[in-house]
Amino acid sequence: DAKTTQPPSMDCAEGRAANLPCNHSTISGNEYVYWYRQIHSQGPQYIIHGLKNNETNEMASLIITEDRKSSTLILPHATLRDTAVYYCIAQSNTPLVFGKGTRLSVIA
Amino acid sequence: EAQVTQNPRYLITVTGKKLTVTCSQNMNHEYMSWYRQDPGLGLRQIYYSMNVEVTDKGDVPEGYKVSRKEKRNFPLILESPSPNQTSLYFCASSSRDPRLFGYTFGSGTRLTVV
Repeated sequence: DAKTTQPPSMDCAEGRAANLPCNHSTISGNEYVYWYRQIHSQGPQYIIHGLKNNETNEMASLIITEDRKSSTLILPHATLRDTAVYYCIAQSNTPLVFGKGTRLSVIA
Repeated sequence: EAQVTQNPRYLITVTGKKLTVTCSQNMNHEYMSWYRQDPGLGLRQIYYSMNVEVTDKGDVPEGYKVSRKEKRNFPLILESPSPNQTSLYFCASSSRDPRLFGYTFGSGTRLTVV
C-alpha cells in the first residue's frame, strides 16, 4: 500500500472552498485513492474515491494528478460542520489503513 | 436505512470479565473490520474479514477474537479484558467491488476496563 503524506492541519474560512492536498508518490497502478473524514469521536465517514479520473459527488470533488502521485480533495463551500480530520488513503485492497490525516478547521 | 450497528455504545467492565461487542450490517457487504482509536495513535485495525468464515489479523490483534459465521454479523470478543484495552472501538463494512467500495462505519463503542 502506498504511503500518503498530508499536512497535519489547515484552516478554511466558512463559505470558501477547502482544498486538502495528499501526496502518494509511490502509488501503484491498481491502487485507488480514498478520502474519509472523522468528526470528533464519530465513526469515520466515507467521502469519495478514485483511480485516475477526477471524481465528484454530492459531498466533494477529487482531483488526481495525471501521474497519480498526488491528489486534492475539494469541499466547494466549507461550513462549520465540515470541521473534522480528513484521511487520504491509497491502496488496492481492504482493509483500509488510516494515517494521521489533516485536521481541517472551518472558521466563521 | 443502510447502516452498521454496534452495541453497546458505552461499556464499563472489570479486568478479566469476558465481553462481546456486537456488530451488524444490513448492506450485504462482504468485508467487515474492527478498529480501535486511541489519542495520539489514531485508528488501528484489530481484525478484518473478507467473507463468511474468513478472518485475518490486523495491526493490533492481541487480546481480541472475532468470528464471522454469518455475513451480516462480526462480533468482537475480549476473553479477558485488561485496562490497556480501554479505547473507542469502531466496526465497519464494505462491498468488495472497488467501484462501490467505501467503508461504512458504526457509531462506536466506548469501552472502559477498570
